[in-house]
Amino acid sequence: NAGVTQTPKFQVLKTGQSMTLQCAQDMNHEYMSWYRQDPGMGLRLIHYSVGAGITDQGEVPNGYNVSRSTTEDFPLRLLSAAPSQTSVYFCASGLAGRYEQYFGPGTRLTVT
Amino acid sequence: RKEVEQDPGPFNVPEGATVAFNCTYSNSASQSFFWYRQDCRKEPKLLMSVYSSGNEDGRFTAQLNRASQYISLLIRDSKLSDSATYLCAVNQGGGYQKVTFGTGTKLQVIP
Repeated sequence: NAGVTQTPKFQVLKTGQSMTLQCAQDMNHEYMSWYRQDPGMGLRLIHYSVGAGITDQGEVPNGYNVSRSTTEDFPLRLLSAAPSQTSVYFCASGLAGRYEQYFGPGTRLTVT
Repeated sequence: RKEVEQDPGPFNVPEGATVAFNCTYSNSASQSFFWYRQDCRKEPKLLMSVYSSGNEDGRFTAQLNRASQYISLLIRDSKLSDSATYLCAVNQGGGYQKVTFGTGTKLQVIP
């Protein structure tokens, strides 16, 4: 199993550009989520999904959209990048009811 | 008070030493607890889950103190490879979206 995969590993955007961060898992996990990690702030939940077709907002959803058309994929879209979105983004997945999460390798995003 | 708090460290310990970190949580309804290890510029990786009073895996022991609302991670016989940041996570009840992460404690094991 590849586990949780994310692409790209690094990305530089200009303010106002849009892009999609990709996330896929091959563990048949119902739950998937996106976090951002900033120095001194810890991991903050952006959006999450408890199954295909079901998504909801986390703690810091503004400026981001998600969709979940399949169990395996959970892309994160930045609508109009801002410097405040410079961060490391982690995708995670887990089994329903277990609350243990398995993280992808992360995407380092810089917005200039 | 923050929902989940950790001492950021760094904890500098010699090889072979025993070291312990605490993680305090504010919600007494919290149901399950986790320790993750995060190496520099890498993703967090699940180290241990704590569903009742504690859990042990080799050199690592996690304990839960519900009365004082903290969990601890004890590492015995520290190795250089244990150097990392240790994150705690607390499920405050109500689903995955209620899992809150601490900001981590940095451990540096010194030769």
